[in-house]
Amino acid sequence: QVQLVQSGAEVKKPGASVKVSCKASGYTFTNFYIHWVRQAPGQGLEWVGRINPSGGGTSYAQRLQGRVTMTRDTSTSTVYMELSSLRSEDTAIYYCARSPTVTTENDYWGQGTLVTVSS
Amino acid sequence: QSVLTQPPSASGTPGQRVTISCSGSRSNIGGNSVYWYQQLPGTAPKPLIYRDNHRPSGVPDRFSGSKSGTSASLAISGLRSEDEADYYCATWDDTLSGPVFGGGTKLTVL
Repeated sequence: QVQLVQSGAEVKKPGASVKVSCKASGYTFTNFYIHWVRQAPGQGLEWVGRINPSGGGTSYAQRLQGRVTMTRDTSTSTVYMELSSLRSEDTAIYYCARSPTVTTENDYWGQGTLVTVSS
Repeated sequence: QSVLTQPPSASGTPGQRVTISCSGSRSNIGGNSVYWYQQLPGTAPKPLIYRDNHRPSGVPDRFSGSKSGTSASLAISGLRSEDEADYYCATWDDTLSGPVFGGGTKLTVL
């Protein structure tokens, strides 16, 4: 069965970086995009960016350009999302989700990773 | 401020039919497919409707989606207590060159 399993919760200080992983299983890793979506406490969903595991191509939300980097390791079917220069407003649950297209046609989601930015 | 506009809340009694709207523009809903997600408290979003009006397998036919012009709607008929959740619409935005979400609608079953 399709599964996306994310790494555990993180607590970081302002200005630091965080790297969250998303390990895929149960399907051909390179056949689906992986999107990252975040949700601040009590808030709605916000698209962070996406990566094409096949060639590694990425696209990021304009407001996060320059601070977010997505990579993948095809040998372990794992995608990574790194966010740098963390601010308190980056505190959120970060979800990875699979999609057959560049749009948010996300059919399977990870369990979410809480990233807390606090001094 | 979300690109797509949803009412912050909606409510209904068991058995009723409720609709949740999602308003956008020509650069997003007007030219692209709409997706709907259900998020139960403390869980990841779950796909409910894809490509405007298609249900993934396992989603009851009580849930239906529609789109007209630059607006979309999610309808839930035969409301049940387990439908109490947050609902989000999403689509692609040609101007932003990326996906956008609505602000979410909290559905309460009275």
